[in-house]
Amino acid sequence: DAGVIQSPRHEVTEMGQEVTLRCKPISGHNSLFWYRQTMMRGLELLIYFNNNVPIDDSGMPEDRFSAKMPNASFSTLKIQPSEPRDSAVYFCASSGQGRTEAFFGQGTRLTVV
Amino acid sequence: SQQGEEDPQALSIQEGENATMNCSYKTSINNLQWYRQNSGRGLVHLILIRSNEREKHSGRLRVTLDTSKKSSSLLITASRAADTASYFCATTSGGSYIPTFGRGTSLIVHP
Repeated sequence: DAGVIQSPRHEVTEMGQEVTLRCKPISGHNSLFWYRQTMMRGLELLIYFNNNVPIDDSGMPEDRFSAKMPNASFSTLKIQPSEPRDSAVYFCASSGQGRTEAFFGQGTRLTVV
Repeated sequence: SQQGEEDPQALSIQEGENATMNCSYKTSINNLQWYRQNSGRGLVHLILIRSNEREKHSGRLRVTLDTSKKSSSLLITASRAADTASYFCATTSGGSYIPTFGRGTSLIVHP
């Protein structure tokens, strides 16, 4: 099993540009999480999908952030327009039916200059 | 917002010593989990303890849970340099399957 796969691993972009982060969860897992990690705020949940449906998006900072899960094997997190304060490591994680143990990807380190 | 808070924030020990990290949380939980994060990597699940359990072991790891004090501890025995990492506790509550993470303890094990 390849685990949760995220791309890109690193992204540097200019303020105002659109950024799209991608995630492939573990096959068979039906829950998917997007987290953001910063020194100041630690690990914050952005959005939670169950069976491809967004269940909890209360952590999405503002309208500049959007997430989709068009099928069970793919999810995107989009920031448009990006701002320097969005700089962070973004993690995607997945878990199996009825389970709470989350399996994390390697993360995408985003730098907005 | 964080549910769990780890203590201490940082811990530095010599190889072979035991490392103890604590986690306190605010509301009733279904279970509590511990994760490890090596520098520049994603989090890795270590162990889960349910609210009706008091102690659990996995290799050199020992986790305790005291629901009356809303706290948990992670003990790593006979630490190794490879144990150097950040350790996070995460809780789930109510009907939610969403793990909520603390700020983590940074452990350094000197060879």
